[in-house]
Amino acid sequence: GAGVSQSPSNKVTEKGKDVELRCDPISGHTALYWYRQSLGQGLEFLIYFQGNSAPDKSGLPSDRFSAERTGGSVSTLTIQRTQQEDSAVYLCASKPGLAGDTYEQYFGPGTRLTVT
Amino acid sequence: GENVEQHPSTLGVQEGDSAVIKCTYSDSASNYFPWYKQELGKGPQLIIDIRSNVGEKKDQRIAVTLNKTAKHFSLHITETQPEDSAVYFCAASDTGRRALTFGSGTRLQVQP
Repeated sequence: GAGVSQSPSNKVTEKGKDVELRCDPISGHTALYWYRQSLGQGLEFLIYFQGNSAPDKSGLPSDRFSAERTGGSVSTLTIQRTQQEDSAVYLCASKPGLAGDTYEQYFGPGTRLTVT
Repeated sequence: GENVEQHPSTLGVQEGDSAVIKCTYSDSASNYFPWYKQELGKGPQLIIDIRSNVGEKKDQRIAVTLNKTAKHFSLHITETQPEDSAVYFCAASDTGRRALTFGSGTRLQVQP
């Protein structure tokens, strides 16, 4: 079946512009995560959605970052007034949710964001 | 919060040798420890995971060991092959419901 998809695969933007990154999780997965991976670094948690519960935003680095998940499926990560330090690969992952015995998170290919 | 340390940052081995990557974690509440493999330009892919109720798990050439008392866990790859070359990440979380905390990664290079 189809995995997690993300778009665009690459995004180059000028400093100060807003960007939107999209994630389509695996169908039926109720949990969705956004992570950020800076060059040569590990993955840094940004935000977590679980069903209709309030999202866990504890990883968002500043109020320029926000995310929403419409209809419990597609998610959009928005970065306002982008800065050069926002340049990174943004990864989305989904998981079946709380039910069952599956903890594996399935990752998309990521969106490489470059802020010039 | 949780903190995961991973060593070494780079590892070079000859084809057929074994490779070992080690991680330590800080939060005693963590009970789920996955290992991900990331190839260039791709997202991480789970290769093996372990839960805190077991000390070791094996899947063909890959094994993971967990020492809860010492708060460390390790990935063992035997009979390495060139296609094992990638970046490997360890991670930890509690219950598996919350976000993973990742180590900084190990770049494994297997020389043919």
